[in-house]
Amino acid sequence: ETGVTQTPRHLVMGMTNKKSLKCEQHLGHNAMYWYKQSAKKPLELMFVYNFKEQTENNSVPSRFSPECPNSSHLFLHLHTLQPEDSALYLCASAPAKGASYEQYFGPGTRLTVT
Amino acid sequence: AQTVTQSQPEMSVQEAETVTLSCTYDTSESDYYLFWYKQPPSRQMILVIRQEAYKQQNATENRFSVNFQKAAKSFSLKISDSQLGDAAMYFCAYRSLNNNDMRFGAGTRLTVKP
Repeated sequence: ETGVTQTPRHLVMGMTNKKSLKCEQHLGHNAMYWYKQSAKKPLELMFVYNFKEQTENNSVPSRFSPECPNSSHLFLHLHTLQPEDSALYLCASAPAKGASYEQYFGPGTRLTVT
Repeated sequence: AQTVTQSQPEMSVQEAETVTLSCTYDTSESDYYLFWYKQPPSRQMILVIRQEAYKQQNATENRFSVNFQKAAKSFSLKISDSQLGDAAMYFCAYRSLNNNDMRFGAGTRLTVKP
């Protein structure tokens, strides 16, 4: 399997639930990203990991907790979410150093918080 | 902080015709990358074309080309001979070379009419 994969593709959870989103990349990249995509808004960068180290946290609420156990896997742990957190969550990967710095995206997880 | 603006929320084009999508950005950096990404209804974001700011020549990829005006901070995408499969959301993105920051515009939804 190649590219960037995300599971689950769809998730419905209550405000008191705890769930996790998973991202896996098979491209040999060392940087991984979480984005939030809401309707009619620019993509919002949430977290960045370089060589398993978190290098950026764009003022994301603590109810979102990332984890990067290795360069190929990235998780987003969710707990006590709010309805406004409903969105498409995209994972991306990129070479930490490279000629183009382009990012490769996964298909996303459609999250609905009820 | 850099910002990316796409002033056209929606555009439509007749099949086989040409359409241009606009993008402007704001930055104080002299070197950076610019990208156009395409997100079809299936939601997988894919790279369409990239432009290095230090290159004066406009990038071209088959039917896709850009008009990069560095002084004006403008980066438009031209799609020639539009095809039904070009229908998607198109995002303009700015990538700083100094950090992992990647900024996206709000997107333009392109409809292709048969």
